[in-house]
Amino acid sequence: DADVTQTPRNRITKTGKRIMLECSQTKGHDRMYWYRQDPGLGLRLIYYSFDVKDINKGEISDGYSVSRQAQAKFSLSLESAIPNQTALYFCATSDGTEANIQYFGAGTRLSVL
Amino acid sequence: KQEVTQIPAALSVPEGENLVLNCSFTDSAIYNLQWFRQDPGKGLTSLLLIQSSQREQTSGRLNASLDKSSGRSTLYIAASQPGDSATYLCAVRPSSRAGTALIFGKGTTLSVSS
Repeated sequence: DADVTQTPRNRITKTGKRIMLECSQTKGHDRMYWYRQDPGLGLRLIYYSFDVKDINKGEISDGYSVSRQAQAKFSLSLESAIPNQTALYFCATSDGTEANIQYFGAGTRLSVL
Repeated sequence: KQEVTQIPAALSVPEGENLVLNCSFTDSAIYNLQWFRQDPGKGLTSLLLIQSSQREQTSGRLNASLDKSSGRSTLYIAASQPGDSATYLCAVRPSSRAGTALIFGKGTTLSVSS
């Protein structure tokens, strides 16, 4: 089983719908992150969390919200999806050591029509 | 603002060739630099991490170097194989401060033909 699991892997939705992307991890890490990847723009940080009570906005948080339900679970919500949120979304975790290597899930491909 | 650039954007080589992927960053004040591999449908896998005080790191056929003063890193792949075909991403961590996000380049897509 993967250490960082994202569900769903693919999703097609319509403009205005509420969407939740889920991430769970078995690595026991405190830190979790949500990124989006767009062609030609690379990966950009949406939100990050250092523990259940510590959630922070990243570079591009507008239009998104998150919930850290437990150490192992970090969900990303699009309250009212719009077409320019069509992208590949990645969840990642890190252990907070000096190196702080990040471990990524397989990604969720979201299309907003 | 830190910017990370990877050149070339795409590279095709025959099996067995040695190759170099390049990464440059605009602000030399980085904490560390990480190389990732991205396979379609499988997310990102960390390959090598170089701390700012280090010059290089090696793992098997991979060698990553860092020249912080010139804002450059290279990923050397020896004796390339078709299984090396993937997109390679470079990411810098600007500081050790908690919460510092990684800043990614756009990647180099490598294709190794048999």
